[in-house]
Amino acid sequence: SQQGEEDPQALSIQEGENATMNCSYKTSINNLQWYRQNSGRGLVHLILIRSNEREKHSGRLRVTLDTSKKSSSLLITASRAADTASYFCATDLDNNNDMRFGAGTRLTVKP
Amino acid sequence: DAGVTQSPTHLIKTRGQHVTLRCSPISGHKSVSWYQQVLGQGPQFIFQYYEKEERGRGNFPDRFSARQFPNYSSELNVNALLLGDSALYLCASSLPSKETQYFGPGTRLLVL
Repeated sequence: SQQGEEDPQALSIQEGENATMNCSYKTSINNLQWYRQNSGRGLVHLILIRSNEREKHSGRLRVTLDTSKKSSSLLITASRAADTASYFCATDLDNNNDMRFGAGTRLTVKP
Repeated sequence: DAGVTQSPTHLIKTRGQHVTLRCSPISGHKSVSWYQQVLGQGPQFIFQYYEKEERGRGNFPDRFSARQFPNYSSELNVNALLLGDSALYLCASSLPSKETQYFGPGTRLLVL
């Protein structure tokens, strides 16, 4: 079963704008990760945030984690057409051996 | 260094047949996980193997099985294929800390 739920399901913005995607999950976690997928291909790891961290940056990416609300957000600043892809959050459950993915947010960045 | 490789890239089978999908992890990675991704959904965990032992299993029927070889490559087997098994099958490898997983390009399976 899916653990994370991304919101919105789809997002369309203009190049240069910021894109924000949200993820909610249900159970306690060790960490939360964001992945990107282009056109049904393999997933590319973007960033990992641990349960004891609240915010993390990587280039144009900013991730926040609120464990009290069981939610995370991914912000992509100054978006580019090449950022067009599906973005998934994945939770590494406490004392488990699998990662649970949400259904993803499909981001379209128009040039 | 080569990333995770999977074969074949595409496969067409008919209902009732069986299929074997293969995965080679990144060199030095001893953990391999398998995921099923149905169109429009996120990946769903099937199996994780570490050092040839099954470490985790998702909510999939016994028609799904897997194994890991001494060189840490892995096979996913699906018996008695159903139409609903049509999906992208993703393999991911990781170091023993199991945090970041590195995904292969996937095998797209179509069951007719």
